Amino acid sequence: QVQLVESGGGVVQPGRSLRLSCAASGFTFSSYGMHWVRQAPGKGLEWVAVISYDGSNKYYADSVKGRFTISRDNSKNTLYLQMNSLRAEDTAVYYCAKDLWKGEQWLVRGGYFDYWGQGTLVTVSS
Amino acid sequence: EIVLTQSPATLSLSPGERATLSCRASQSVSSYLAWYQQKPGQAPRLLIYDASNRATGIPARFSGSGSGTDFTLTISSLEPEDFAVYYCQQRSNWPLLTFGPGTKVDIK
Repeated sequence: QVQLVESGGGVVQPGRSLRLSCAASGFTFSSYGMHWVRQAPGKGLEWVAVISYDGSNKYYADSVKGRFTISRDNSKNTLYLQMNSLRAEDTAVYYCAKDLWKGEQWLVRGGYFDYWGQGTLVTVSS
Repeated sequence: EIVLTQSPATLSLSPGERATLSCRASQSVSSYLAWYQQKPGQAPRLLIYDASNRATGIPARFSGSGSGTDFTLTISSLEPEDFAVYYCQQRSNWPLLTFGPGTKVDIK
């Protein structure tokens, strides 16, 4: 069965960096686009970033553009989120999520999340 | 940016009743809308995509309808496990994705 397991969260001071990881199993990781979605405590969901199945295309929400970098290692079935210049407003549970569509279909139909990890909490505080 | 609004913010119902949740987009999203369910302490779960297609394993009591700017998620008869927060999400502006603020369905 599909499993997504995030790690790397913790408490970090404003302006510092953190890297999140998401280990995937139970599906052909290299065939699917992958996303990061976050949820501030007691708040709603916010899409953060997406990467294509081969890593060639990456897109970001305006709120994190220029500060966060999404990447993947298909040989390790792992998704990453490098977060730099962290702010208090980045405090949230960060979920990795698998896109519903694979391969070339993702380019045209992508953007729905059919499996999610359990999330990892990032707290930005001095 | 496409803004999604959901109503009501909270819906108080009893098990067995019908739930009707609304999602409205600030501009047309065609049929590119999904619904998710989230229970406390859990990750969201995909219920409906492309406005009316049930995701794998989702019970038939969940149905979605609408197109353009107005969408509805209907739960035909609430089960105890259906009390949760429901979010709509658009992919019309792919790859820029947005969620609605959510509707909480709680027990009356």
